[in-house]
Amino acid sequence: AQSVTQPDIHITVSEGASLELRCNYSYGATPYLFWYVQSPGQGLQLLLKYFSGDTLVQGIKGFEAEFKRSQSSFNLRKPSVHWSDAAEYFCAVAPSGNTGKLIFGQGTTLQVKP
Amino acid sequence: EPEVTQTPSHQVTQMGQEVILRCVPISNHLYFYWYRQILGQKVEFLVSFYNNEISEKSEIFDDQFSVERPDGSNFTLKIRSTKLEDSAMYFCASSPGQGGVRLFFGSGTQLSVL
Repeated sequence: AQSVTQPDIHITVSEGASLELRCNYSYGATPYLFWYVQSPGQGLQLLLKYFSGDTLVQGIKGFEAEFKRSQSSFNLRKPSVHWSDAAEYFCAVAPSGNTGKLIFGQGTTLQVKP
Repeated sequence: EPEVTQTPSHQVTQMGQEVILRCVPISNHLYFYWYRQILGQKVEFLVSFYNNEISEKSEIFDDQFSVERPDGSNFTLKIRSTKLEDSAMYFCASSPGQGGVRLFFGSGTQLSVL
């Protein structure tokens, strides 16, 4: 069965430090991959997505993610975290050709220390 | 940026009562979705809706659930007889199309069944 795993439930980083949030997926083919962010009281906002092509994708707010087929991973990174990045981050996959039905990971809560 | 609007933000109901959760998708979007997140669990797909009919639904979406687009602007999720286990955050989403197009999520309705 298709699944998404985010191994880190909660991460704390200092402001200005680099960030990497892990995501692993289990799916037979190359899925469509997404990262969403949810700030308190807000909806899920798309940070970036990967469908094909260049395995390093750039997103909004200075985030990037790298697709590694050999590791079935799609980790999210940011070189320098800002206090406003504190939020919950969700990795999601979709069967190719249908991006409406997403399978989400458990989410990672990011706390940023001043 | 256009938004998906959900009302109410919080709803409390008694077990066995009917509830209707309301969503106003982005106006030129064609595909509509409901997801839910039970506290501490993953965001789960419930149903997708296109051209005035359900295009896909999950195992969770049983006969107690129904969706409707009554007037061309609203998209509703009805739970006929709520159970305690229906308590969750319900997210509405819309997209202009499938096949690589992004989903826009609302900020959710927190449903509490007592």
